[in-house]
Amino acid sequence: EADIYQTPRYLVIGTGKKITLECSQTMGHDKMYWYQQDPGMELHLIHYSYGVNSTEKGDLSSESTVSRIRTEHFPLTLESARPSHTSQYLCASSEMGASYNEQFFGPGTRLTVL
Amino acid sequence: AQSVAQPEDQVNVAEGNPLTVKCTYSVSGNPYLFWYVQYPNRGLQFLLKYITGDNLVKGSYGFEAEFNKSQTSFHLKKPSALVSDSALYFCAVRAYQTGANNLFFGTGTRLTVIP
Repeated sequence: EADIYQTPRYLVIGTGKKITLECSQTMGHDKMYWYQQDPGMELHLIHYSYGVNSTEKGDLSSESTVSRIRTEHFPLTLESARPSHTSQYLCASSEMGASYNEQFFGPGTRLTVL
Repeated sequence: AQSVAQPEDQVNVAEGNPLTVKCTYSVSGNPYLFWYVQYPNRGLQFLLKYITGDNLVKGSYGFEAEFNKSQTSFHLKKPSALVSDSALYFCAVRAYQTGANNLFFGTGTRLTVIP
């Protein structure tokens, strides 16, 4: 079944640790996105990709980095986690082409940095 | 600049009554408009979108939305609310222009359907 997956769903980690949030999709989409969402608030785009070896920064400045080595995989990395990184991170994907193509979202990773 | 406003943080409606969740937008040029729903501890689910043409758009789960260009609005509606419709609803806009990559989301409206 075509879907978009994120792991872990929940992560509690200490300050200074390196973390990687995983995102994979089986829909064959070229475009992928990472959003940051504080509880009950709007989403802010932090990274996006048009395809393999393409990564761009979004509207909200983020200390995280992303990579796109395979079409289906778009991991997000924080080299040194801080309490200010506590948030929910949502991954999404969409088809290339028309900018009105809807985005499909994963279930999110809720990150807490102590 | 693109933006979306959802003027109501919270909407309460009795089960069986019609519901409306409001959204207004600001964008240069023609907009593409979307509604998403988010259930607790879940990602966003696409409900419907407006691209062009008929101002009344029908989507999933009996929801519909009406595009009003003069009022720059895209309100979400349902004729008869269900308790299971209780969730967080997000309106989003993307401008119809080359290089516009982003969906701009509103702050969300929490819908509570009271049994």
